[in-house]
Amino acid sequence: QQQVKQSPQSLIVQKGGISIINCAYENTAFDYFPWYQQFPGKGPALLIAIRPDVSEKKEGRFTISFNKSAKQFSLHIMDSQPGDSATYFCAASMKAGGSEKLVFGKGTKLTVNP
Amino acid sequence: DARVTQTPRHKVTEMGQEVTMRCQPILGHNTVFWYRQTMMQGLELLAYFRNRAPLDDSGMPKDRFSAEMPDATLATLKIQPSEPRDSAVYFCASGSPRSINSYEQYFGPGTRLTVT
Repeated sequence: QQQVKQSPQSLIVQKGGISIINCAYENTAFDYFPWYQQFPGKGPALLIAIRPDVSEKKEGRFTISFNKSAKQFSLHIMDSQPGDSATYFCAASMKAGGSEKLVFGKGTKLTVNP
Repeated sequence: DARVTQTPRHKVTEMGQEVTMRCQPILGHNTVFWYRQTMMQGLELLAYFRNRAPLDDSGMPKDRFSAEMPDATLATLKIQPSEPRDSAVYFCASGSPRSINSYEQYFGPGTRLTVT
């Protein structure tokens, strides 16, 4: 119930194309849904996040779409660039037992070809 | 530019040896998280501290792993004895007391541990 399922595992997109990464969850106690970007040899970095009462959030070329009834959310990268090549993790945040936890998806390795 | 620092960046050790990883959270941050990243399991939360007190270590194998915060500027993760299955990248992350939500975590560069 605390899992976040992410797909695809890997994605290859041409420069200028749209990259789409999908995530699904089961536990309705999750209250925030962030996305993290990780470059090789680096730690994950927060990219964008959304609350479940919002259906879409856009920051530059990055957009989160959220479907509360389907318990699904996705990251869209418009006009994908080679510099966007990285591993992307969706996550879900919840309060549990007095603490707060982030549960991560398994990650999507994005390659943007020039 | 404020960053989480971790030492060592790389560690190769033999099975049975003790391993200590260190993390310096961003100055002023009061929450510290330890994660383990592997290809198979992805990012797993091992332990979580707020104001130096452990809040959650349910993700950590209790028999060989221990996590502490001796002071506000240092968090440690210790494995004793280490085993080959502990080989992974270990990340520390910190969060600000001004953050309402736990998702605002700032990750360090990680310690890549190889146990032979």
